[in-house]
Amino acid sequence: DIQMTQSPSTLSASVGDRVTITCRASQSVSSWLAWYQQKPGKAPKLLIYKASSLETGVPPRFSGSGSGTEFTLTVSSLQPEDFATYYCQEYSSFAWTFGQGTKVEIK
Amino acid sequence: EVQLVQSGAEVKKPGESLRISCKASGFHFATSWIGWVRQMPGKGLEWMAIIYPRVSDVRYSPSFQGQVTISVDPSISTAYLQWTSLKASDTAIYYCARPISGSYQGFYFDSWGQGTLVTVSS
Repeated sequence: DIQMTQSPSTLSASVGDRVTITCRASQSVSSWLAWYQQKPGKAPKLLIYKASSLETGVPPRFSGSGSGTEFTLTVSSLQPEDFATYYCQEYSSFAWTFGQGTKVEIK
Repeated sequence: EVQLVQSGAEVKKPGESLRISCKASGFHFATSWIGWVRQMPGKGLEWMAIIYPRVSDVRYSPSFQGQVTISVDPSISTAYLQWTSLKASDTAIYYCARPISGSYQGFYFDSWGQGTLVTVSS
């Protein structure tokens, strides 16, 4: 199975900061990668699919990039509602593996 | 608007059976995939199973094959996840989610239910 590794596991940031989360795949997943946001006690929410396509309704301060084995999710200016846990998910293989998550905390 | 409304929290004993449900609206249920994702306490996300109601095409994650059963009732746009003999390790939140076909054999999930907490304890 493809392994997905996110870094960092936890990130402390302030409102207005530019934040970048990395997701690495153990083998190429082409551009078949999605990003989700999960707030405490809530269901995950799709942010990005196909590595860089913004889901309808998601603010443009969120962006995704990368291909092959290395991907990034960037929040250009962190807002109070963006403090959450973020997950990547590959959908190249049949395993559709999620990363372990990156928690974005208030500094 | 796509909506997935799940059944309420459950508390069960080891060895008991359980079926949880997910009622869909806002899209054509019979011709859309629907599936389940597990989140164990304090942990990440794991997809379990998906089904295409129109032809009952079912796919299980190897990790969950034989452990659970996914089914649907297209007449009421509802998906189910069933256990015949629960274990303490089944304690988790289970999310209903709509898979979207992306790559040749891959799906991502664009809409999610609110989650159903299943607690298995003696």
